[in-house]
Amino acid sequence: DQQVKQNSPSLSVQEGRISILNCDYTNSMFDYFLWYKKYPAEGPTFLISISSIKDKNEDGRFTVFLNKSAKHLSLHIVPSQPGDSAVYFCAASASSGGSNYKLTFGKGTLLTVNP
Amino acid sequence: NAGVMQNPRHLVRRRGQEARLRCSPMKGHSHVYWYRQLPEEGLKFMVYLQKENIIDESGMPKERFSAEFPKEGPSILRIQQVVRGDSAAYFCASYRGPSEKLLFGSGTQLSVL
Repeated sequence: DQQVKQNSPSLSVQEGRISILNCDYTNSMFDYFLWYKKYPAEGPTFLISISSIKDKNEDGRFTVFLNKSAKHLSLHIVPSQPGDSAVYFCAASASSGGSNYKLTFGKGTLLTVNP
Repeated sequence: NAGVMQNPRHLVRRRGQEARLRCSPMKGHSHVYWYRQLPEEGLKFMVYLQKENIIDESGMPKERFSAEFPKEGPSILRIQQVVRGDSAAYFCASYRGPSEKLLFGSGTQLSVL
């Protein structure tokens, strides 16, 4: 049973445009959500997170939106750059604010940003 | 500070052999997680350790797998009598304490022949 789903295996966008990556979850106990970026042969790198008490969190070019009623979150990257090309993982925790990193990951979305 | 260090980066074992994967967390980090990524899958939680203690091993297979994080030295993930299905990337991650970010190592790619 996949509790965190990223239904798009891949996404291709033009440099300068917006990239929108989506993630759905089924476990109502999840209260902390994270996005990680991963290059081949490297470990995941933390991008941005959001607690369930918020519906939006922004950090530079990256914004995460959370819709709790729909159990859906999305990551927006604006403007997209070729260096953003990587696999993006959505992850969730039943944690209370980031002190528990027993994370459930989605399968990832490969983002390709074309120059 | 070189970050979370994992070695070896690549490990090849034949079926039935033992695999030992090492993880040196960042200096000052006393919390270590191990995750496994099978081909075409997301990362899956295996075990959470603090110095000398296993806190949560609910993601570890019941047999052949064990983990430790001794007072001195790296954390070790040990897989006995490996099988082909153990072939995966194994990631270690560490953090200092509450509200600190989890940092991942570059992983060990285990291949079982």
